[in-house]
Amino acid sequence: DVKVTQSSRYLVKRTGEKVFLECVQDMDHENMFWYRQDPGLGLRLIYFSYDVKMKEKGDIPEGYSVSREKKERFSLILESASTNQTSMYLCASSRTSGMSYEQYFGPGTRLTVT
Amino acid sequence: ELKVEQNPLFLSMQEGKNYTIYCNYSTTSDRLYWYRQDPGKSLESLFVLLSNGAVKQEGRLMASLDTKARLSTLHITAAVHDLSATYFCAVISNFGNEKLTFGTGTRLTIIP
Repeated sequence: DVKVTQSSRYLVKRTGEKVFLECVQDMDHENMFWYRQDPGLGLRLIYFSYDVKMKEKGDIPEGYSVSREKKERFSLILESASTNQTSMYLCASSRTSGMSYEQYFGPGTRLTVT
Repeated sequence: ELKVEQNPLFLSMQEGKNYTIYCNYSTTSDRLYWYRQDPGKSLESLFVLLSNGAVKQEGRLMASLDTKARLSTLHITAAVHDLSATYFCAVISNFGNEKLTFGTGTRLTIIP
């Protein structure tokens, strides 16, 4: 079974703090993704990575950065957390080869910024 | 820009009834995915549809893809309470990178 894990299920941080969200996958997938999910807005892509040290901006990258130093690990960084970054954050991974490109999701991190 | 629209957004149905959720998308694609999400949980993959006319079934759920109409349907047969969840469709465009674009989801509630 594909397994995608995220470092925390719930996180509470203060405005201005630097926040790290970590994601690890164990299936040697090339692609990794970070989304945020908000009521009424669905899932929106923040950043994705198709290889180690490679990254591309998604639809809403402002206020976020990412790091991928190892193939299995993809980190999302909030440089200076703000209350509008309170959200559910979901990590996903997928293969590059083969047809399906199906994305497998982690359990999510519910971040509250106060 | 790829847009994915689902309807209805909310669906309340009685146990035992049939219903269909629709997913329309705005650009050429032959890769469409259906996911299920339970409250407070992550997304679980249901179906991967990779060609025109693709049909997949799992239990009381059946998904189909018409790439010419840019339409996918998720049909629920004889609904049971366990199917209550939010269902998302998502599409990868044939142009550009491997980004999934999600619909806004359909919250399905099955009433006894």
